[in-house]
Amino acid sequence: AQKITQTQPGMFVQEKEAVTLDCTYDTSDPSYGLFWYKQPSSGEMIFLIYQGSYDQQNATEGRYSLNFQKARKSANLVISASQLGDSAMYFCAMREVLTGNQFYFGTGTSLTVIP
Amino acid sequence: EAGVTQFPSHSVIEKGQTVTLRCDPISGHDNLYWYRRVMGKEIKFLLHFVKESKQDESGMPNNRFLAERTGGTYSTLKVQPAELEDSGVYFCASSQESWAANSWETQYFGPGTRLLVL
Repeated sequence: AQKITQTQPGMFVQEKEAVTLDCTYDTSDPSYGLFWYKQPSSGEMIFLIYQGSYDQQNATEGRYSLNFQKARKSANLVISASQLGDSAMYFCAMREVLTGNQFYFGTGTSLTVIP
Repeated sequence: EAGVTQFPSHSVIEKGQTVTLRCDPISGHDNLYWYRRVMGKEIKFLLHFVKESKQDESGMPNNRFLAERTGGTYSTLKVQPAELEDSGVYFCASSQESWAANSWETQYFGPGTRLLVL
């Protein structure tokens, strides 16, 4: 079964608007972490934000916030005030204590910011 | 501080040839990981080193793939002989700790090596 599901292959957003990228996960491990990475056209994977399964509050990092709904097993990334430089692939990933240190990734969402 | 570096950035080889990918982790990071993304699919875990030891190699596709990390610094991933289905982007990542204080440390990724097998 897929551990991480990203159902939006491509998304468009107007510059300065907010956008939500969806991510759902599947785990029976109570101890896990959820991550979002950005991959611009240059190829490098840039860490954006982290949410731990025990964290009581939603994570925020500048214009990025993570809408963590534990009961629904969703960890959507919200980008506020989109900028042209936000155009990239975005990957949701998860790590579990039980399965060790590997990341499970989704297939990614390609975000295009329109001027 | 230098990030994770990978060499080469691109490699085009013929089926049956050998290719060796190199990864230099962030200095001081004991944990080193290899991942692969085949076109259109998700990024998949290949293996994990802690220093020079293989902690988990459950993701290695078959015995044509050999990873080493002599001395616990840089790592190499050799594919011999390469097949068409080996084409993809190979990522390396590193981290200091893994799970501590009920929190994961993130893994820092390199830019990847794009491998094309013809």
